[in-house]
Amino acid sequence: DADVTQTPRNRITKTGKRIMLECSQTKGHDRMYWYRQDPGLGLRLIYYSFDVKDINKGEISDGYSVSRQAQAKFSLSLESAIPNQTALYFCATSQPGDSGNTIYFGEGSWLTVV
Amino acid sequence: ELKVEQNPLFLSMQEGKNYTIYCNYSTTSDRLYWYRQDPGKSLESLFVLLSNGAVKQEGRLMASLDTKARLSTLHITAAVHDLSATYFCAVLIYTDKLIFGTGTRLQVFP
Repeated sequence: DADVTQTPRNRITKTGKRIMLECSQTKGHDRMYWYRQDPGLGLRLIYYSFDVKDINKGEISDGYSVSRQAQAKFSLSLESAIPNQTALYFCATSQPGDSGNTIYFGEGSWLTVV
Repeated sequence: ELKVEQNPLFLSMQEGKNYTIYCNYSTTSDRLYWYRQDPGKSLESLFVLLSNGAVKQEGRLMASLDTKARLSTLHITAAVHDLSATYFCAVLIYTDKLIFGTGTRLQVFP
């Protein structure tokens, strides 16, 4: 089983709908992240959380919200999806001092907004 | 504004040849990552470079970091088809914000 699990892996939704992407991890890491990847671009940081009570905006947080339900769970919500939010979304985790602070990525969630 | 730039963006190279991918960044950082991504897949960690002058090697790939020049390189030796993928560098800032370059798509042909 993957250490960082994302659900759903693929989703097609309509404009204006609310969609939630979920992430769970078994690595015991405190820090979790949501990234978005668009074709021809690198990953861009949406939100990050250093512990359950700590939530921070990243580069492109507008139109998104997050919830850190537990150390192991970090969900990303699009309250009213729009087509330009069509992208590949990655959840990631890290832990200070762990292997040089390597950041581990989930398998990705493909989201299409029509 | 922080920028992480990779060069080249696309690289087509013949098996057996050597080449270098460059990663320049515009702010102070002492930690740089290299990742590999296969099409439609997640990112695989290749190297974490933690200090100025750091050099790491794994198989046909070698990465280095010059924090004074704000430059990292990923050198490919005697390329093989299995190395075909997109390679990203990423710079760590503000204690755990990872900013990615746009990626270098590498294609190795016979």
